Amino acid sequence: DAGITQSPRHKVTETGTPVTLRCHQTENHRYMYWYRQDPGHGLRLIHYSYGVKDTDKGEVSDGYSVSRSKTEDFLLTLESATSSQTSVYFCAISSGTNTDTQYFGPGTRLTVL
Amino acid sequence: AQTVTQSQPEMSVQEAETVTLSCTYDTSESDYYLFWYKQPPSRQMILVIRQEAYKQQNATENRFSVNFQKAAKSFSLKISDSQLGDAAMYFCAYWRGGADGLTFGKGTHLIIQP
Repeated sequence: DAGITQSPRHKVTETGTPVTLRCHQTENHRYMYWYRQDPGHGLRLIHYSYGVKDTDKGEVSDGYSVSRSKTEDFLLTLESATSSQTSVYFCAISSGTNTDTQYFGPGTRLTVL
Repeated sequence: AQTVTQSQPEMSVQEAETVTLSCTYDTSESDYYLFWYKQPPSRQMILVIRQEAYKQQNATENRFSVNFQKAAKSFSLKISDSQLGDAAMYFCAYWRGGADGLTFGKGTHLIIQP
């Protein structure tokens, strides 16, 4: 299994509060991604990173920001959480080689009340 | 934009039987990857099988195999000798590679009847 951890694994918060989710990898992979999973939608890309301090928006980036100050860590921040951001959040990594695959972390269940 | 369609929200199969899950996709690219991921109740996304579009040979992994039809943009998953542990949501996904994100279908819930 790829060495990917996410923290916290579960979080309950209130509308309007800031929330930061952390993804940590031990594989030294170049690319990292944040997805959200909602019923009826599969997984959708929020943001991705192609290197330290290099990030870009995905399909559903509104209300989210990211940062990557080290190869191994990719942070997802909800500046002011809303109930529509209640979801399961997955981090993924890939190496950028010709045998490339995206491997996923265990997920974080976030509930915004 | 790429799209991935899984037309079977739910499938049921008897243990030890064979089942095929359907997936179609739309893209204008010629080089890409296709995947099937399994998501059991634990929520972990587990890679089942991977196909590179430039390879004509269908990928196989033990009891799992795909039927990749590039011209038809079809990528079905066949599970042989179904086992109770195969019960899960199965997601088909398309990827151009590199920094691009995966595009997922909405999933097929596979039920294994003992």
